[in-house]
Amino acid sequence: EVQLLESGGGLVQPGGSLRLSCAVSGFSFSNYAMSWVRQAPGKGLEWVSGISGSGDSTWYADSMKGRFTISRDNSRNTLYLQMNNLRAEDTAVYYCATGILTGYLKHWGQGTLVSVSS
Amino acid sequence: QSVLTQPPSVSAAPGQKVTISCSGSSSNIGNNFVSWYQHLPGTAPKLLIYDNNKRPSEIPDRFSGSKSGTSATLDITGLQTGDEADYFCGTWDSSLSAGVFGGGTKLTVL
Repeated sequence: EVQLLESGGGLVQPGGSLRLSCAVSGFSFSNYAMSWVRQAPGKGLEWVSGISGSGDSTWYADSMKGRFTISRDNSRNTLYLQMNNLRAEDTAVYYCATGILTGYLKHWGQGTLVSVSS
Repeated sequence: QSVLTQPPSVSAAPGQKVTISCSGSSSNIGNNFVSWYQHLPGTAPKLLIYDNNKRPSEIPDRFSGSKSGTSATLDITGLQTGDEADYFCGTWDSSLSAGVFGGGTKLTVL
């Protein structure tokens, strides 16, 4: 059974940093590209970032470039999202998912809540 | 403002059919695969349609997708109250080199 479990969310002040993790099981992690997607309160889904199976290629939504860094540790079956210089508008539930939108996002985690507030 | 345009809401009676549209451009829908997702707040989104018109095996055939030019549609037939959810289209934008979603459509089954 494919499982994705996000962690690392929480309350952070504007300008602060957080690192999200997504631990996966049930499939060959290194063979799959991965994505982060978020949903702000009352808003729709927003694609955040994607990474190839090897980790050699990464992609970002414009508003995240320079502030967020996606990475993966294939030996630990874990995906990461390092978020720096956080803003109030980054407040959202962050989901990890298998795949990238050149194709489709098949499996999703339950999400982790990030709140940016003073 | 989303790159892909969806109607904010649609509604229909149980048993009826509804169509949700997703409009884009040549840099996204026109030259890339479209996927559709069902999302209930507080839960993980669910993949309904991929590669424009393919269904994962666990998705009933009441759900179907199509694409023409720079637009895509999701059809849901035989509506059930359990279909009430938000629906999102997604694709890749080759100009942005980024994934994009539509703004989402809230389905109400009256």
